[in-house]
Amino acid sequence: DSGVTQTPKHLITATGQRVTLRCSPRSGDLSVYWYQQSLDQGLQFLIQYYNGEERAKGNILERFSAQQFPDLHSELNLSSLELGDSALYFCASTMGQVGEQFFGPGTRLTVL
Amino acid sequence: KNEVEQSPQNLTAQEGEFITINCSYSVGISALHWLQQHPGGGIVSLFMLSSGKKKHGRLIATINIQEKHSSLHITASHPRDSAVYICAVFNAGGTSYGKLTFGQGTILTVHP
Repeated sequence: DSGVTQTPKHLITATGQRVTLRCSPRSGDLSVYWYQQSLDQGLQFLIQYYNGEERAKGNILERFSAQQFPDLHSELNLSSLELGDSALYFCASTMGQVGEQFFGPGTRLTVL
Repeated sequence: KNEVEQSPQNLTAQEGEFITINCSYSVGISALHWLQQHPGGGIVSLFMLSSGKKKHGRLIATINIQEKHSSLHITASHPRDSAVYICAVFNAGGTSYGKLTFGQGTILTVHP
């Protein structure tokens, strides 16, 4: 158990819908990273927050947004969902801005 | 060409064999991460290193910054080592600081 929690574990929804994925970092960790893992693309970095501020951005679509709240949990919002958004979404946390990453169990999103 | 290349992509071994997985990268990095992903999907951090060598049990990771290359070795391999091993690099500096770029992964199968 990494200490990072993600909810929900599974999510099935329809095209065009909007969903919110939630991540709680390990106690004491200030950074949260979001990743997408699809069958054809492998693991892709989406976005990083550090102590409430966005710090690095990767291949995140404009339909996706994220934020980190004062209690350090983070949410990833995915809107206007498409079939290609079906993937495993992981979050990870680190104490500092860069460091060994501890991954949550992931949320499996299926868009029908 | 991907910024992070792993070889081999697939590796099959007999229990007890010595295993090496290689990772080459083309960007400046601040550190390199070796991750393990089991069939259930969970990702576990094995090592984070920026120089030299680290050892945990039967696992050894080395990095050569000048040659932009890292290796993960497994001594006395066991069927429970069967997993996907992923190399990831922390980009150094600029707007990409903190961003992790992933290799495509090496699928390891160890037969009894």
